[in-house]
Amino acid sequence: DAKTTQPPSMDCAEGRAANLPCNHSTISGNEYVYWYRQIHSQGPQYIIHGLKNNETNEMASLIITEDRKSSTLILPHATLRDTAVYYCIVRDPTSGTYKYIFGTGTRLKVLA
Amino acid sequence: EAGVTQFPSHSVIEKGQTVTLRCDPISGHDNLYWYRRVMGKEIKFLLHFVKESKQDESGMPNNRFLAERTGGTYSTLKVQPAELEDSGVYFCASSQLGSYNSPLHFGNGTRLTVT
Repeated sequence: DAKTTQPPSMDCAEGRAANLPCNHSTISGNEYVYWYRQIHSQGPQYIIHGLKNNETNEMASLIITEDRKSSTLILPHATLRDTAVYYCIVRDPTSGTYKYIFGTGTRLKVLA
Repeated sequence: EAGVTQFPSHSVIEKGQTVTLRCDPISGHDNLYWYRRVMGKEIKFLLHFVKESKQDESGMPNNRFLAERTGGTYSTLKVQPAELEDSGVYFCASSQLGSYNSPLHFGNGTRLTVT
């Protein structure tokens, strides 16, 4: 089972910031949080990942709470092309393969 | 740098036939993963290769599925004989070995339809 929970859907106005929350209350000390998105008919696209510090790249920012039990992905200026399903993933270190376990994700709809 | 490529992008076969999916990982990536999404369900892990060795095949649904990675480069996933419930999108991903937090890079998948 996935170790993360996300709201099933969100809307965001074009040009505004999209803030996508994720709960991972059972995360362990050495597990990273990864964010991906899947735009219709494409493969999951890597966005960003982090351990405990906030991270920023050209696509997004990742804010991780101090207790690491939740995080927020921020798309600072959402565009219509950001409409996608966003997945928050905590990598499973117990498997020995560090595989991802996908949950149901958040379907983000950016509105014109 | 070329990304993960998968072939074919679409495949339509009849129940009982055989299909082979191919994945070419990013050059130098020793980790290779197969996932699939069945209609309406979540993306599920199938198996993981490290170079040519199967590290974890706990997600393989049954013995009709055979994955290989001879030489540790590209991988194939063969379904024989195909059943209706095998329809879905099969994704391949790769990552660098030796870096625990290295993200997976996914291909665009092969959409398999079994009729």
